Amino acid sequence: DADVTQTPRNRITKTGKRIMLECSQTKGHDRMYWYRQDPGLGLRLIYYSFDVKDINKGEISDGYSVSRQAQAKFSLSLESAIPNQTALYFCATSDSIGTYGYTFGSGTRLTVV
Amino acid sequence: GQSLEQPSEVTAVEGAIVQINCTYQTSGFYGLSWYQQHDGGAPTFLSYNALDGLEETGRFSSFLSRSDSYGYLLLQELQMKDSASYFCAAFRGYQKVTFGTGTKLQVIP
Repeated sequence: DADVTQTPRNRITKTGKRIMLECSQTKGHDRMYWYRQDPGLGLRLIYYSFDVKDINKGEISDGYSVSRQAQAKFSLSLESAIPNQTALYFCATSDSIGTYGYTFGSGTRLTVV
Repeated sequence: GQSLEQPSEVTAVEGAIVQINCTYQTSGFYGLSWYQQHDGGAPTFLSYNALDGLEETGRFSSFLSRSDSYGYLLLQELQMKDSASYFCAAFRGYQKVTFGTGTKLQVIP
């Protein structure tokens, strides 16, 4: 099993629909992140969480919400999807302060039509 | 603001050496990381430099010069499987990581 598992791998949804992307990890890391990747824009941070009771906004949190259900689970929701949220979404984890690298999931390719 | 600049594309020959540069403008800089991402795949961590100098890990090396706000990733003995995108990322402490836009490396026979 992968260290960081994201579901679904691919999703097509309609504008205005609510959608949840899920992430679970077996690394035992406290810190979890949601990133969005768009061509030519690199990876941009949406939300991050240091532990179950800690949630923080990243640079592009508008239109998104998250839930940290357990140490190992961190989900990302789009309350009302819009086409410019079409992107590749990655969940990642890290220990300590992340200087030894983030472990990324395989990604969720989301298309909003 | 925070920004990192990398070349968008680099082409190199199998067996050769290639250097991918990264310049950064960021406050509160702690260190520079590098990630590899194959098409359709997840980014994977390659290296982290907190101090000036060269860090070597097998065929890959990473260099940092804090005074020049500059770093590079050096790939030696290039293999076809090294064709991928490479991202530098500036670590600014307390979970503030800014990624560059990536360099697509194409290795040709």
